[in-house]
Amino acid sequence: GESVGLHLPTLSVQEGDNSIINCAYSNSASDYFIWYKQESGKGPQFIIDIRSNMDKRQGQRVTVLLNKTVKHLSLQIAATQPGDSAVYFCAENKDNAGNMLTFGGGTRLMVKP
Amino acid sequence: DVKVTQSSRYLVKRTGEKVFLECVQDMDHENMFWYRQDPGLGLRLIYFSYDVKMKEKGDIPEGYSVSREKKERFSLILESASTNQTSMYLCASTLAPPGLAGGPDTQYFGPGTRLTVL
Repeated sequence: GESVGLHLPTLSVQEGDNSIINCAYSNSASDYFIWYKQESGKGPQFIIDIRSNMDKRQGQRVTVLLNKTVKHLSLQIAATQPGDSAVYFCAENKDNAGNMLTFGGGTRLMVKP
Repeated sequence: DVKVTQSSRYLVKRTGEKVFLECVQDMDHENMFWYRQDPGLGLRLIYFSYDVKMKEKGDIPEGYSVSREKKERFSLILESASTNQTSMYLCASTLAPPGLAGGPDTQYFGPGTRLTVL
């Protein structure tokens, strides 16, 4: 069946290091992917998205990589800061019309000072 | 600043009660969504609406209904609350369906309502 999953439920990194959060998806028809950040007590916040016609997209301190061959998505955070501590979700569009998203279970990123 | 607001941050109800969760967005967005969020399961779509009076079932619509009488307001209704509906409920809105517009400024979530059913 269709699924979006994460390899690690918790990731602990040192402040200043780079973080890599991974996500696997199984629906080869998915053509749009999103990363969300959710801080404690808040709703998910959009970070970055990527379409399937791209393999890399960069934002401010964040990069998303898409490997369609192995159906793998990753979020890289450069120079991780304490404010990056949160739960990160990947999501894929579920149908070709783009009306529905399927979310992964989430990875908790903990930044050590 | 853009806003998606939800009527309550915390709610405690009893089994069998009818529960209304309200969501309001001030961005004139076409599409609105209701998700529930449970530990380890991520966000699961309950219902969404792409226009006033229009609704579509998501992945887990059983036990829920929705109402979209005005563009800015999307209500989630638990007809007869049960303990397995204890969860965090998140509302979201987008200008266009996710995946079509794709812009970074088009997807917004509310702060969530933590519902406990006793």
